[in-house]
Amino acid sequence: GAVVSQHPSWVICKSGTSVKIECRSLDFQATTMFWYRQFPKQSLMLMATSNEGSKATYEQGVEKDKFLINHASLTLSTLTVTSAHPEDSSFYICSATLDRPGTEAFFGQGTRLTVV
Amino acid sequence: DQQVKQNSPSLSVQEGRISILNCDYTNSMFDYFLWYKKYPAEGPTFLISISSIKDKNEDGRFTVFLNKSAKHLSLHIVPSQPGDSAVYFCAASSSYKYIFGTGTRLKVLA
Repeated sequence: GAVVSQHPSWVICKSGTSVKIECRSLDFQATTMFWYRQFPKQSLMLMATSNEGSKATYEQGVEKDKFLINHASLTLSTLTVTSAHPEDSSFYICSATLDRPGTEAFFGQGTRLTVV
Repeated sequence: DQQVKQNSPSLSVQEGRISILNCDYTNSMFDYFLWYKKYPAEGPTFLISISSIKDKNEDGRFTVFLNKSAKHLSLHIVPSQPGDSAVYFCAASSSYKYIFGTGTRLKVLA
């Protein structure tokens, strides 16, 4: 299947700093990528849909100024957690699809963010 | 509002028996359904999917059933193996957006 690479796999940062997470589709082009957040023992919560060349679409309750998404190319989307706080600590996962109906989404390995 | 629900947070099954994981959804616009397996601190891995025009799809030990009138799908794993122990998420899709259920932790006992 298609490969989605996410980097870094884990990061620890201080409160108030910003952290950037990258999501790359390695062997295919993805017009659309998705960012999820998973809290311990909970489901994957869709945060936003990242659209190449245009603004991301955020789900209700997700602060767009807090979670900046940039999809600058067909193979790269980035999520920047700005002015991070301990409550932002979570597992963040990106996914991408082949832009064809009826195909599965491919997921990155996830990024464990810890804000201290 | 949870559009995709998995009402059983956990399930234990004896090795060799059948595992049945259930999923309910509310949005009739969903046209594609998927099951993913997830280990801690890893991204989900795709298992099997089904289009809304079908009611069954089988791949080896995994079979997914879709009941559109009931807005219900299920994943059958038979025979269950200890390596199947993981968290299973169902997902529903429309317009390329994937909404995940809350997950069911499956434990296959040797």
